[in-house]
Amino acid sequence: DIQMTQSPSSLSASVGDRVTITCQASQDISNYLNWYQQKPGKAPKLLIYDASNLETGVPSRFSGSGSGTDFTFTISSLQPQDIATYYCQQYDNLPPRVTFGGGTKVEIK
Amino acid sequence: EVQLVQSGAELKRPGESLKISCKGSGYSFTSYWIGWVRQMPGKGLEWMGIIYPADSDTRYSPSFQGQVTISADKSISTAYLQWSSLKASDTAMYYCARHKFPDLVGAFDFWGQGTMVTVSS
Repeated sequence: DIQMTQSPSSLSASVGDRVTITCQASQDISNYLNWYQQKPGKAPKLLIYDASNLETGVPSRFSGSGSGTDFTFTISSLQPQDIATYYCQQYDNLPPRVTFGGGTKVEIK
Repeated sequence: EVQLVQSGAELKRPGESLKISCKGSGYSFTSYWIGWVRQMPGKGLEWMGIIYPADSDTRYSPSFQGQVTISADKSISTAYLQWSSLKASDTAMYYCARHKFPDLVGAFDFWGQGTMVTVSS
C-alpha cells in the first residue's frame, strides 16, 4: 500500500505569511494528489485536485505543485479564515484506492 | 445542486448492528464513485472504502476489510455503511463523499455533513 507522509503536523504563522506544507508518497503517484481544508466541526473541502488544479471557487492564494513522490501545498498569504487542518490525499484507479496524509494543523501566531 | 445528505447521529451499545445512509441528489448517482471516510475524535481522515453504484463494485481499505460493509441502492440514490457488531473503537464521525469525475476515483468534491456514531455501554 502507498503511504503518504505529510509535514509538518502543525505550524504557527502570522497573517500575511507564506505557508508551505509537503506531502511525500512512498512510491510514484504521478499527479494523483489532492489537498483538502477541514475546519473544526465541518466536513473537508476540496481545494486542489490532481496536484495543481484549483477547485472552482477556491481563492487563488491556495496553490499546489509536484509530481511523482513529492508534493507541495502553499498558502501565499495566510488569512485568519485559513485556520484549519489541511490534508493531502492520493488516489489510484488500478485498482481503485485512496490514502490520506496525516494532516497539518495551521494556527495563527 | 449536488448534495449528499447523511442520516442522523447514532448512539449504540457494543455488539449492536448499525446501518447509516448517504443520499445523493442533483447528479447522476450511478455514474460517480462514492467513498466513506472515518474521523475518530481529534484524529485525521481515514479512507474506509468506495462503491460504484451502477454495478455495486466495492473496494475496501485493508484496515476496514471485514469490519464494515459498504452497499448502495441505486433506485433511491443511496449509499450505506453498516456494521454487524459495533465496538467502542467504532466511535467516530463518518463522512460519505463523491469522487469528482464520472467513472473514476480521484478527488472528493462533494461531502455529506457527517454522521456521528457513538458506541458506549
